[in-house]
Amino acid sequence: GIQVEQSPPDLILQEGANSTLRCNFSDSVNNLQWFHQNPWGQLINLFYIPSGTKQNGRLSATTVATERYSLLYISSSQTTDSGVYFCAVEPGRYSSASKIIFGSGTRLSIRP
Amino acid sequence: DTAVSQTPKYLVTQMGNDKSIKCEQNLGHDTMYWYKQDSKKFLKIMFSYNNKELIINETVPNRFSPKSPDKAHLNLHINSLELGDSAVYFCASSQVAGNREQFFGPGTRLTVL
Repeated sequence: GIQVEQSPPDLILQEGANSTLRCNFSDSVNNLQWFHQNPWGQLINLFYIPSGTKQNGRLSATTVATERYSLLYISSSQTTDSGVYFCAVEPGRYSSASKIIFGSGTRLSIRP
Repeated sequence: DTAVSQTPKYLVTQMGNDKSIKCEQNLGHDTMYWYKQDSKKFLKIMFSYNNKELIINETVPNRFSPKSPDKAHLNLHINSLELGDSAVYFCASSQVAGNREQFFGPGTRLTVL
């Protein structure tokens, strides 16, 4: 099956720093999502980005489907950005359901 | 006005018991899912239902039985609970055509003693 690898596994930054999180996938995908799991365990949708670039405030994401990777950029980090960031891809084998495969996540800690 | 809701949020029970987790979505989606997150934070799909029909079953033990009474609800019943079932269970929903973005519920933390 498809492999989804995220890097780095852990990242510790000072407030105000910028960061880039990477997601590599081993096969073609129909869709890709980025999630933030906050310290309370809630999974928050960040981007639905099968291809191209999107921006939402201090966050932006780029997916290059032909090269099988996606990047999540966080600028001017705040302590509320702490948590685990997941990339999830849809391999596209099912027509009537969207099975998504999660990466193992990047744990981000922002120090004040 | 919660989009995807789950009850209960926490569930503590003894080995061998039977328990259920309920999920409801008010997004008008036609597909719902159950995911399991283990102690290492790894998330894996368990089941998917489309219009009350089981579409995906990821080799989950048959002690786990999903039930979908209608498009807006997908409940998870677990028989004969085992220690290894302790995890956080997430419900999600999406459309199956067009934008297939998945939206997740708040999770149910199950602890089996």
